[in-house]
Amino acid sequence: DQQVKQNSPSLSVQEGRISILNCDYTNSMFDYFLWYKKYPAEGPTFLISISSIKDKNEDGRFTVFLNKSAKHLSLHIVPSQPGDSAVYFCAASDGAQGGSEKLVFGKGTKLTVNP
Amino acid sequence: DTGVSQNPRHKITKRGQNVTFRCDPISEHNRLYWYRQTLGQGPEFLTYFQNEAQLEKSRLLSDRFSAERPKGSFSTLEIQRTEQGDSAMYLCASSRDIDYEQYFGPGTRLTVT
Repeated sequence: DQQVKQNSPSLSVQEGRISILNCDYTNSMFDYFLWYKKYPAEGPTFLISISSIKDKNEDGRFTVFLNKSAKHLSLHIVPSQPGDSAVYFCAASDGAQGGSEKLVFGKGTKLTVNP
Repeated sequence: DTGVSQNPRHKITKRGQNVTFRCDPISEHNRLYWYRQTLGQGPEFLTYFQNEAQLEKSRLLSDRFSAERPKGSFSTLEIQRTEQGDSAMYLCASSRDIDYEQYFGPGTRLTVT
């Protein structure tokens, strides 16, 4: 039973355009969501996060939107750059006492930004 | 560099052998996590420690797997009697207990032949 789903295995965009990566979840106990970026042969790198009490968080070119009623979140990258080409993982946490315990990850979306 | 480090980066072993991996977390982080990632999948949680206490273990962590974090600093993950299905990337992460963000090391790639 996959609790975090990234239904698009891959996405290709042109440099300078917007990249939108989507993620759906099923567990209503999740209270914090994170996006990680992963290059080949490296560990995941934390990118941006959002608490379930918010609907938007922005950090430079990266914005995460959360729609709790739809159990859906998305990561927007504007403008996209070739260096953004990587696999992006959506992750969720249901830490009971603040802070994370375990993260539940989606399968990832491979983003390719073409020059 | 004060990030999470893992050793070795690559390990090739024969089926039936035992292997041990080491993780050194970010120094001020009191939580340490182990995940496993196979091809085409996201990282899957195995276990985590708060200081030296192991607080949760996934059902993925069979009896052949054991993890320790003596003195609440570095951690080791041992796999006994390795099987081909154990071939994966083993990732370590750390965090403060008040934060949700976990910071990952580069991983140890295990190949069981």
